[in-house]
Order: sequence, then structure tokens, then C-alpha cells
Amino acid sequence: SQQGEEDPQALSIQEGENATMNCSYKTSINNLQWYRQNSGRGLVHLILIRSNEREKHSGRLRVTLDTSKKSSSLLITASRAADTASYFCATGLTGGGNKLTFGTGTQLKVEL
Amino acid sequence: DAMVIQNPRYQVTQFGKPVTLSCSQTLNHNVMYWYQQKSSQAPKLLFHYYDKDFNNEADTPDNFQSRRPNTSFCFLDIRSPGLGDAAMYLCATSSGQGQTQYFGPGTRLLVL
Repeated sequence: SQQGEEDPQALSIQEGENATMNCSYKTSINNLQWYRQNSGRGLVHLILIRSNEREKHSGRLRVTLDTSKKSSSLLITASRAADTASYFCATGLTGGGNKLTFGTGTQLKVEL
Repeated sequence: DAMVIQNPRYQVTQFGKPVTLSCSQTLNHNVMYWYQQKSSQAPKLLFHYYDKDFNNEADTPDNFQSRRPNTSFCFLDIRSPGLGDAAMYLCATSSGQGQTQYFGPGTRLLVL
């Protein structure tokens, strides 16, 4: 089964609204990363949060990490049509070396 | 600009005809990864190199091979492509454990 499960699978909002995506994972991690993927393109790194951190911000993005619940959330504030993409969480497992395991992804659509 | 480059962007091959996908990087990163991503799914790690050390995922079919002749280049060889190997193939690099991965734009493989 997937290390990372994302919720919701799909999200449709209006421009200007906030979008929240959640990621749950199963095993101990040393970091969790969020990536964005526009249709048919490569992945773009958004934020990396380490297991000893609880919250990070980058521009309109806010990521939280709760290691006791094995979950993370990505909040995009004041969304724009250009934010339309798939968003993936990826976990770096404790003892997992150089690998990341990607979650199932959330497809975000921001409508004008 | 430092980047990860994949060629070609689109590749059409015939069932059973060997195909090679290439990836190059100007980031001078130690680690290079190959992922397979099928439509609406998460990227799935096939294998990765840490310098010259090759790390194969347990469930990667033998049909998939890789070569890394130097730091900058990494190749994915599919010896006998089947219809089920049609997918986007993503190359990524990182400087090591717990670090951001930088992705190329991907090569979309079509098998006829």
C-alpha cells in the first residue's frame, strides 16, 4: 500500500479561496516534501519540512507536520488560476537513504 | 541556469524494440533517479544512483536497466518495451539524503 495517501483526490475552488490538501503516511520519516506537477510536465519542489519542524511558510504556501498523527497539510492561500496542478507529498523515510516515496496526489483546479 | 534535461521529450517505439531515454544535469548532484509515472498516478521509483552505486527497487522489472557513465549523465534502457511500459519517465537529481529532488521535464513514451 502507499506510504503517502492524499486527501482529497480532487479539489475545485474559486480564485481567491484557500486550498488545503492533506497527506498521511505510515512509517517514521526524517523529512516530508511537497511537489507540484502541471499537466504533462515534471515535478517542481515547493517545500521541505523536517521531522523536528512543525510548520513552514513559503510565500502563499504553508505546510504543517504532525509526526504524532503521521500527517501533513499544505495550505495555498489566495489561490490563483495558475495554481491549477497536481500536488504530491513525498516522504523521506528514516533509514530510507536517498529515496522519496510519493503519495497519491491531489488534483487542484482553481476556477476564475 | 543549472537544470535537469531529458531527451527526447516524446518517444515512440514499437512493441519489443529497445529504447533508451537520456537525462543530463548541470547541478553536479551525487544522486540521480529514474521514476515511472502512469496517468493520474504517483511517480514510482525504478532505481537510483548514488555516484556510481546502483540501487534497484525490488519491484522494478528486469526489462528496465540503467547506466550512469559519469556524474552528469544517466540513461534508462528498456530492453523489450511492452504496451504496459507506456508512461511518463521522470529523471531527478539530489545532493543526498533528505534533500530536495530536482526533476527534469520528463519523457513521454508511447509503445505501438
